Amino acid sequence: KNQVEQSPQSLIILEGKNCTLQCNYTVSPFSNLRWYKQDTGRGPVSLTIMTFSENTKSNGRYTATLDADTKQSSLHITASQLSDSASYICVVNRNYGQNFVFGPGTRLSVLP
Amino acid sequence: DAMVIQNPRYQVTQFGKPVTLSCSQTLNHNVMYWYQQKSSQAPKLLFHYYDKDFNNEADTPDNFQSRRPNTSFCFLDIRSPGLGDAAMYLCATSRDPGGRNTEAFFGQGTRLTVV
Repeated sequence: KNQVEQSPQSLIILEGKNCTLQCNYTVSPFSNLRWYKQDTGRGPVSLTIMTFSENTKSNGRYTATLDADTKQSSLHITASQLSDSASYICVVNRNYGQNFVFGPGTRLSVLP
Repeated sequence: DAMVIQNPRYQVTQFGKPVTLSCSQTLNHNVMYWYQQKSSQAPKLLFHYYDKDFNNEADTPDNFQSRRPNTSFCFLDIRSPGLGDAAMYLCATSRDPGGRNTEAFFGQGTRLTVV
């Protein structure tokens, strides 16, 4: 069954701290994996994309990793800001069928 | 500039009264998707269009219909909204359904309330 799991379900950190969010997937065939940020009441916005051959990719304070062998990805946020408070959704793209398989998201709250 | 635009942002409708949600895109993408997202849950795909080809998910209720009159516009029609249909409805587009760099671009969503 094609599934995406994320952990933790929710996370509270203080402003300025780092955190790491996890994503495990069983989606096949694998095309790519994206991390999206979804602010409350808004649509998801793409942060980064990982393809099969990529291990690490950075976008500002966001760094994503991918281990295609173990089917795991992580999103590391450095020096968190209050505006990082949002849900972070891991989405795996298949080559066909239901194209995008969504994880349940991790709800991040950054406190002052 | 917004590339996927959903209208309205907030919609209140009465139980059983038909409602239509609108989505337009300026990306000229081939694929348009409608997702339903309930609180603290992942978006759930209702259906998608690949050009004019309509693809319905097996578990999408018959109460939900969609129209795509042209490349730019796609509509979600809820024929008889029930209380359980209250949710955020997300429209998304992608250039193609597959491929290494395929990305889904999302609109801001329409928050539907059923009273």
